[in-house]
Amino acid sequence: GAVVSQHPSRVICKSGTSVKIECRSLDFQATTMFWYRQFPKQSLMLMATSNEGSKATYEQGVEKDKFLINHASLTLSTLTVTSAHPEDSSFYICSANRGQVTEAFFGQGTRLTVV
Amino acid sequence: GQNIDQPTEMTATEGAIVQINCTYQTSGFNGLFWYQQHAGEAPTFLSYNVLDGLEEKGRFSSFLSRSKGYSYLLLKELQMKDSASYLCAVRDSNYQLIWGAGTKLIIKP
Repeated sequence: GAVVSQHPSRVICKSGTSVKIECRSLDFQATTMFWYRQFPKQSLMLMATSNEGSKATYEQGVEKDKFLINHASLTLSTLTVTSAHPEDSSFYICSANRGQVTEAFFGQGTRLTVV
Repeated sequence: GQNIDQPTEMTATEGAIVQINCTYQTSGFNGLFWYQQHAGEAPTFLSYNVLDGLEEKGRFSSFLSRSKGYSYLLLKELQMKDSASYLCAVRDSNYQLIWGAGTKLIIKP
């Protein structure tokens, strides 16, 4: 089946530094990938839609200059949390669909802790 | 606005049956999904309904009524490993997934 790989699974960084999270579709091409954030005991919150070869589409309230998304190839999207602060600590998850009507396949998620 | 409602938490006994309901109001409908999510892990796909009726897959079944904006996930022969959150998601007219808040299912021996 389709597999989406996300790296790293856990990261601890100092406040003010930047962190890059990678999301790869391993056995299919994904023109669109999605980035979610999930706080404890809450549902998935869509942050942005990553489009290969063009700018990402951000959801209302998500700062595009803080959460930089790059989708340079059909199998890789990256999310960079810039100038991280403790309130950015969360579980970040990416997903991709093999086609428009198939289910979403999720990466393993990244637990970010900013100290 | 778009809205998906499901109970926050449910408790059931090992070996029993539990039904988790989901009601939705979305801009268009292109399918409803159920996902299982264990704490600290990414969601995993359970089922997909796009037409009315029941879809059965082993111990898990999912039902959809589009006219009522309603779905349920039925879990039979509950096992301790079924303790998890169950997320209902609807794909809207833009093929974007709208997520419910999830139902935390607690299984007791």
